[in-house]
Amino acid sequence: SQELEQSPQSLIVQEGKNLTINCTSSKTLYGLYWYKQKYGEGLIFLMMLQKGGEEKSHEKITAKLDEKKQQSSLHITASQPSHAGIYLCGADPAGAGGTSYGKLTFGQGTILTVHP
Amino acid sequence: SAVISQKPSRDICQRGTSLTIQCQVDSQVTMMFWYRQQPGQSLTLIATANQGSEATYESGFVIDKFPISRPNLTFSTLTVSNMSPEDSSIYLCSVEFGRQTYEQYFGPGTRLTVT
Repeated sequence: SQELEQSPQSLIVQEGKNLTINCTSSKTLYGLYWYKQKYGEGLIFLMMLQKGGEEKSHEKITAKLDEKKQQSSLHITASQPSHAGIYLCGADPAGAGGTSYGKLTFGQGTILTVHP
Repeated sequence: SAVISQKPSRDICQRGTSLTIQCQVDSQVTMMFWYRQQPGQSLTLIATANQGSEATYESGFVIDKFPISRPNLTFSTLTVSNMSPEDSSIYLCSVEFGRQTYEQYFGPGTRLTVT
């Protein structure tokens, strides 16, 4: 099975600071998803990366997938209290065979706190 | 994207009883999945809800404990049977429109507490 490790486990920053969350896989990532979760609630889809070297941005959040497709980073610029929550990366092992697609494996999550 | 609703949003149940959770999507989707998030943990896939056929369960999850229905392309139910306190979790459904977009969206979740 695909193991995903996120770092750091938690992060506390002052409003306005930049931050980066990493997601590392033991195997090649065929689809890497980033989600945000407010405590006790559902997941909000942020971005999905597929190609080595791919980079996507939405507002102040940028996600990248490295060329080897084993590591992804999520970068938040000029953080705001509204960015606080749990960030989860999920992997789609679609490359392992057609019966596996869509079945996401998740990292443990990174808890982000942004102090005003 | 998709608008996904789940009912109930939360419930407190007694051990030994069963609870059925509904997941409704505002448009037809190819794939529907059910996940569990135990307290302080990440998400674990329970099963793939297949339209018109039996669900496909992941290792550690069985149909007798988590029966799933998917009568059409916009609706699915997950039943948590014979509940114990260990079943206390957030249960989430997710949908994917197919390999055209690969994007997967999650419902708001159902917070279940078993006493």
